[in-house]
Amino acid sequence: DTGVSQDPRHKITKRGQNVTFRCDPISEHNRLYWYRQTLGQGPEFLTYFQNEAQLEKSRLLSDRFSAERPKGSFSTLEIQRTEQGDSAMYLCASSSIDSNSGNTIYFGEGSWLTVV
Amino acid sequence: AQKITQTQPGMFVQEKEAVTLDCTYDTSDQSYGLFWYKQPSSGEMIFLIYQGSYDEQNATEGRYSLNFQKARKSANLVISASQLGDSAMYFCAMRRPIGGYNKLIFGAGTRLAVHP
Repeated sequence: DTGVSQDPRHKITKRGQNVTFRCDPISEHNRLYWYRQTLGQGPEFLTYFQNEAQLEKSRLLSDRFSAERPKGSFSTLEIQRTEQGDSAMYLCASSSIDSNSGNTIYFGEGSWLTVV
Repeated sequence: AQKITQTQPGMFVQEKEAVTLDCTYDTSDQSYGLFWYKQPSSGEMIFLIYQGSYDEQNATEGRYSLNFQKARKSANLVISASQLGDSAMYFCAMRRPIGGYNKLIFGAGTRLAVHP
């Protein structure tokens, strides 16, 4: 499978616990994105990496959220001290900087988070 | 501010018939891109079709076509010859040109049900 993969697919955690999601983008893609999707809504942009550099963070990404892409390949999204409002699906996506294919952004299957 | 509006929360179509999913957008940018994604119950966002604001012809991809009316700021998705597997959520999204990366703004989506 050469698509975007995310792990875990589902996570149930108690309020106050920390969780970490991993994303492996398509191998030749140097752009990586995280989005959050709550029930009944479209995805909302969280953050963007070009290679290992985090170039933009949404205001939705509070201080409890941190994302990394240490070697410009896979990325992690950590949520500290989870709250019930963090319950959502976290989508990772990747795209190429190539102008011919850069208009296509490929999403993973998402990581569902439930905070109880 | 940029905004995507999908006014149809749900749509029904008979198998093998065509269906149009509406999308209107609001932007003051001259350069932008419009996307349609399909999201089945598994959660993955599947790229369907892309239209650039300067593209003179409407985009087509197999059974999918995008009816782009720039003056009306609409980008409706037309699915021809509907199949049972087309049942899913459909999201319209817009990309701003700033930075040249795919920071997408999504609409709330339309749930399509294809009946046999």
